[in-house]
Amino acid sequence: KQEVTQIPAALSVPEGENLVLNCSFTDSAIYNLQWFRQDPGKGLTSLLLIQSSQREQTSGRLNASLDKSSGRSTLYIAASQPGDSATYLCAAEYGNKLVFGAGTILRVKS
Amino acid sequence: EADIYQTPRYLVIGTGKKITLECSQTMGHDKMYWYQQDPGMELHLIHYSYGVNSTEKGDLSSESTVSRIRTEHFPLTLESARPSHTSQYLCASTFDNGREAFFGQGTRLTVV
Repeated sequence: KQEVTQIPAALSVPEGENLVLNCSFTDSAIYNLQWFRQDPGKGLTSLLLIQSSQREQTSGRLNASLDKSSGRSTLYIAASQPGDSATYLCAAEYGNKLVFGAGTILRVKS
Repeated sequence: EADIYQTPRYLVIGTGKKITLECSQTMGHDKMYWYQQDPGMELHLIHYSYGVNSTEKGDLSSESTVSRIRTEHFPLTLESARPSHTSQYLCASTFDNGREAFFGQGTRLTVV
């Protein structure tokens, strides 16, 4: 069964700290790995997409890496800000399905 | 900017009513998905479609049904709403080549 796990489930950090969110997947035959952000009661906003042939993607203060052989992806957030507070979800695409992790709830304290 | 729209955003309805949640995208995406998400919980795939006239059930058993008569439109129907259907329903779409998926803003359904 294709499963995606995210660690930690919740994280609280002071403003300005660099942090790493972890995502692991059981089946390495992914098409791509995508990171999303979800604010309370809202839909999902795409942050970064890493194709299966790529190792990492960067957008501003965000950097995501992908290691298919070990079934892992990490999202690195540099110089965190209170506005980064949200739930971060990773999703692995398998053929016609997107399989999501349970998410990491991030709180950045000012 | 994602062009995927869900209506209504919020719906409160009585038990036993038939409801249809609308999802439309203007990006020409092949694949569309419906997810169910309870507050603070993970997303569960309930239906997906590869293209016109193709629909499949997802991992989470659902009493809802879907149709895909047009590429841009993927409505979800509950024939007889129950309080257990109270949840947020999220629609997503993507091209059929491993590209970025986009989500609508969701429909928050409450069945009383």
